[in-house]
Amino acid sequence: DAGVIQSPRHEVTEMGQEVTLRCKPISGHNSLFWYRQTMMRGLELLIYFNNNVPIDDSGMPEDRFSAKMPNASFSTLKIQPSEPRDSAVYFCASSLIVLWASGSYEQYFGPGTRLTVT
Amino acid sequence: SQQGEEDPQALSIQEGENATMNCSYKTSINNLQWYRQNSGRGLVHLILIRSNEREKHSGRLRVTLDTSKKSSSLLITASRAADTASYFCATDAIQGAQKLVFGQGTRLTINP
Repeated sequence: DAGVIQSPRHEVTEMGQEVTLRCKPISGHNSLFWYRQTMMRGLELLIYFNNNVPIDDSGMPEDRFSAKMPNASFSTLKIQPSEPRDSAVYFCASSLIVLWASGSYEQYFGPGTRLTVT
Repeated sequence: SQQGEEDPQALSIQEGENATMNCSYKTSINNLQWYRQNSGRGLVHLILIRSNEREKHSGRLRVTLDTSKKSSSLLITASRAADTASYFCATDAIQGAQKLVFGQGTRLTINP
């Protein structure tokens, strides 16, 4: 089985440009998570979806960030306009949640997209 | 603020020795998870322990959980060079149970 697929793996862009990161979760999983990892702040949850619906976007840093999940097999994270402080590794993870209130489930992470904004 | 904090931040041991990493958290949880991250890669799930469990084993891994002290430990026995990686604990919360908060991680180096 293919794991979580992210594209691109590396992105270098100039400040002010729009950046779109893509994620394909594991087939059959019903939840998707976007994280950002930096040396200074560690791994931060940006937003997560359940059954394609955004559940918690409190980690999205600013209005410049937006995320969509148009169907169960695809999600995007968009930054517009990008800034140098957005440079980080962005991870997508998916999970199969059976009982919502029973606590967290194992998450499967993609390889990440390393974003550099100059 | 981050829920989980790992200790130590870095650990270097000889191959064959045991490695112990600790995690402390602040609020009540449903579950606590441990993940491994090799350099330049995504995180890989190692083990999940529920709040009503005190100890769990998986191969060379042993995880303990003390909810009264709000702490957990990960023990890797008979370490191998391939165990070199960063290890993270992740906690959920009673409310918003699917939201994981990760600690800063412990960087483990196994010297051959």
